[in-house]
Parts: sequence; C-alpha cells; structure tokens
Amino acid sequence: QVQLQESGPGLVKPSETLSLTCTVSGGSISSYYWSWIRQPAGKGLEWIGRIYTSGSTNYNPSLKSRVTMSVDTSKNQFSLKLSSVTAADTAVYYCARASTAMASFDYWGQGTLVTVSS
Amino acid sequence: VIWMTQSPSLLSASTGDRVTISCRMSQGISSYLAWYQQKPGKAPELLIYAASTLQSGVPSRFSGSGSGTDFTLTISCLQSEDFATYYCQQYYSFPRTFGQGTKVEIK
Repeated sequence: QVQLQESGPGLVKPSETLSLTCTVSGGSISSYYWSWIRQPAGKGLEWIGRIYTSGSTNYNPSLKSRVTMSVDTSKNQFSLKLSSVTAADTAVYYCARASTAMASFDYWGQGTLVTVSS
Repeated sequence: VIWMTQSPSLLSASTGDRVTISCRMSQGISSYLAWYQQKPGKAPELLIYAASTLQSGVPSRFSGSGSGTDFTLTISCLQSEDFATYYCQQYYSFPRTFGQGTKVEIK
C-alpha cells in the first residue's frame, strides 16, 4: 500500500521560504506525477503544482513566481519550496499522487500544517 | 483557468436520503473529473474518477455522471459515515482546480 508522508517546519516567518518534503513508501516514486495541494483552515483546496520523476514541472500561475519543486528518486522523496511567504500561505499542505499525466489524485499524505507568523 | 461552480455549498440530509451534488465547469473538460470526500482533520479521499468510475473500495451507493461541463455526484442512500465535505476536481488542464466544496450535514 502506497503511503505519503509530509515533513518540514510547522512555523515559518514572513518573507522566508517554506520547505516541505514528501516521502513515498510502499512503492516506487518513479513514473508517477507528484503534486502539492494546500488548504487554509476552513477553506477549499488549492493545487500548487506537480513534478514528474524526470524533473519536469507544472505550477499554478498564481504561485509560479514563488514555487520550486524537486524530486530525489534515490530517496523516494519530492520537495516543495515556497518563497517570500505571508500569512496568506498559512495552510495544511498535502502531497498527492497521480498515476498518469491526466489522472486524479489517488493517494494523499495526511497533511501538515504550516503557519506563517513572526 | 477552468472555473468550477459546485452546488449546493451546504446540504442538510437524513440517513437514508438520496443526495445529489452538482459541479459545473466554465468550459468543457470531457470526462476529466474526479470527486473526493473529506472528513474533518483528514486528507481528501478519491471516490470517483473519469466522471463516473468508482475508485476501488468505494461503496456502490456513490455514483457519478456527466461530461463536458455538467457533472453530478449522487449518494443513493446516505449513511452516517457519509456526512463529510465533497469536492469536485478537473484534471483536463492546468492549473488543476477544485470546486468550492459541499458540506453534507445531518438534518
């Protein structure tokens, strides 16, 4: 059974960079598409972007200037960096898998809360 | 960007009821639509993909229909464990987008 686990600091200061890692277990990270999705408290879901195991990426235009994603197949991990954060970036951040380029998200991590505050 | 209008935002129902949730797209997406269920404090779970295909392990009381711009999620006989928030999501184009969510609460 594939499992995803997000990790990273739960508190980030304004203007700094949010960094999260998603570790995939129970299966290979290769040949799948890996996304980051976030959800502010009490609100809906926002897709941040995705990375393929080749390293190719697609980002949400609303965040593109601040987002960088990377993948480390040797560790079965992929990562998110979001720069110049503000309080508006406070949310639960999820990692998720899509099995093909045009597929829904069939596996999700449990989510990790990141709070932006000084 | 494909905008999604999900309705209603809140649905009050009783156990045993048949409920339907609608999702309308700002442009056609063929059948590249998924439905998710989310319970408080948990990650969303995939219920239906390709508009009408039930994800493995999902009870058959859930069904999806539609194509193009109009889609529906139906729960044929609401169970206690179905009280949750439901989201539609398109994966036809970038950025991937989600509906605003429908909270199904106990009447």
